[in-house]
Amino acid sequence: GEDVEQSLFLSVREGDSSVINCTYTDSSSTYLYWYKQEPGAGLQLLTYIFSNMDMKQDQRLTVLLNKKDKHLSLRIADTQTGDSAIYFCAERGGGATNKLIFGTGTLLAVQP
Amino acid sequence: DAGVIQSPRHEVTEMGQEVTLRCKPISGHNSLFWYRQTMMRGLELLIYFNNNVPIDDSGMPEDRFSAKMPNASFSTLKIQPSEPRDSAVYFCASRPGAANTEAFFGQGTRLTVV
Repeated sequence: GEDVEQSLFLSVREGDSSVINCTYTDSSSTYLYWYKQEPGAGLQLLTYIFSNMDMKQDQRLTVLLNKKDKHLSLRIADTQTGDSAIYFCAERGGGATNKLIFGTGTLLAVQP
Repeated sequence: DAGVIQSPRHEVTEMGQEVTLRCKPISGHNSLFWYRQTMMRGLELLIYFNNNVPIDDSGMPEDRFSAKMPNASFSTLKIQPSEPRDSAVYFCASRPGAANTEAFFGQGTRLTVV
C-alpha cells in the first residue's frame, strides 16, 4: 500500500538552512512533491521532482531524491520567518489512478 | 482564474444533520480530489474523480460519506448523518489532467459538528 511519513516538527533560526525529510513506500511513484500550507490556507505547490531525477534546485529550495531508499528531502537555504508553515511531502502513485498521497506534514517554526 | 472555489468556508452543524460541501474546480481541469485534514490523521485522500467519474473512493470513511460530480464544473461531498468525529477541514483540489503534475487546492471548508 501507499504510505508517506514525515517528522512532525522542525525548529530553525532565521538565516539557517532547514531540511525536511520524507519517506514513502510506493516504488512506482512517478512524481514526488513538496507543498506548503500557511495557517488557515490551502496547500500550495512549492516544487516537485520526477522519479528518475535525484536532485532539483529552485532558488532557495533543493530537493533530493534517493529512490533506492525511498527518501525525499527538501532543503530551504537562508530560512526566513515567512517560511514558517506546514510542509507536506506527497507522492503520485503509478498505475491508473494517479492519485496524490500526502504525508503527515512537518511544522517548520523559524525563530527570529 | 479564481482558482478552486469551495463553499462554505466554515460550517457548524449539530450531530445528525446532513452537511453538503461544494467545490468548483478550475475550468478545464479534468481531475478532482477531496481531502480531509485533521490533527490526528493529517491529510487523507477521500475520493478522486477523473473526467467526472469516481476513480478511487477507497478513502471514503464510511457509508455516511458520499461524493458526486454531476458535471466538469461542480462537485459535492455529503455527510449524512454527521458526527462530531467528522469535524475537520475538507479540501478540494483539481488538476488539469491525469498526466499533469500540479494539483491546485481550494481554501478548504472547516466543518465543526457539535
